[in-house]
Amino acid sequence: AQSVTQPDIHITVSEGASLELRCNYSYGATPYLFWYVQSPGQGLQLLLKYFSGDTLVQGIKGFEAEFKRSQSSFNLRKPSVHWSDAAEYFCAVGDTTGANNLFFGTGTRLTVIP
Amino acid sequence: EPEVTQTPSHQVTQMGQEVILRCVPISNHLYFYWYRQILGQKVEFLVSFYNNEISEKSEIFDDQFSVERPDGSNFTLKIRSTKLEDSAMYFCASSVQRGSYNEQFFGPGTRLTVL
Repeated sequence: AQSVTQPDIHITVSEGASLELRCNYSYGATPYLFWYVQSPGQGLQLLLKYFSGDTLVQGIKGFEAEFKRSQSSFNLRKPSVHWSDAAEYFCAVGDTTGANNLFFGTGTRLTVIP
Repeated sequence: EPEVTQTPSHQVTQMGQEVILRCVPISNHLYFYWYRQILGQKVEFLVSFYNNEISEKSEIFDDQFSVERPDGSNFTLKIRSTKLEDSAMYFCASSVQRGSYNEQFFGPGTRLTVL
C-alpha cells in the first residue's frame, strides 16, 4: 500500500538560509509525487510534481525537489528562504493506475525567523 | 484566478447531529474530492466523485458519509450522526480530469468540531 513519511514535524530556519524538507514514500512502482503548501487560512497549493523524466523538478516560488529512486525520497529544497515561505508543507503520492486519490504525509510546519 | 471555496470555515456541532459541509469547485472541473485531516495526522482521502456518482472511496467513507452535487455549482459532504472522532479539517478539491497526475485544486478547508 502507498504511504508517505515526513519525518520532520516542525522546522525552523533563518531567513536567507537554505531549506530541505524530507519526504520518503512507499509504493510498488515509480509513483507520481507532489509537494503542496498550505498557508494559514488557505487551501493546499501545488508547488511541484514529478511524473517521469528528469529527477530534479522545478516548482513555483523558487522551490525544487529531487526524486531519488534508490532512497525512495522526494525531498523539497530552496536555496534561500523568505519570511513568506512560513507555512505547512505536504508531500503526497499519486496512484499511477489511474485512480484519483492522493496519499499525503503528516506535513512539516516551517517557521522562518528574521 | 479561479479557486475552490468551502463553507463554513468552522463548524461546531453536538455529537449525534448531522452536518453538511459545502464546497464550490472550479467551474470547468469535472472531478471532485473530499479529504480530511485529523489534528496531527495525515491528510486522508475520503471520496472522489464524477458524473453524479462516486468514483472511488476509502474505507473511512462508510454509511455515515454521503456526497452530493445538488446543483451545477455546489458539492456537499454530509455526515450523519456525527461522532467525536469526526472532528477534523475537511478539504474539498477539484480537477479537470481523472487520474492523480491531474492537479487537484484544494479549498481552504472546513474545521469540524464535534462536542
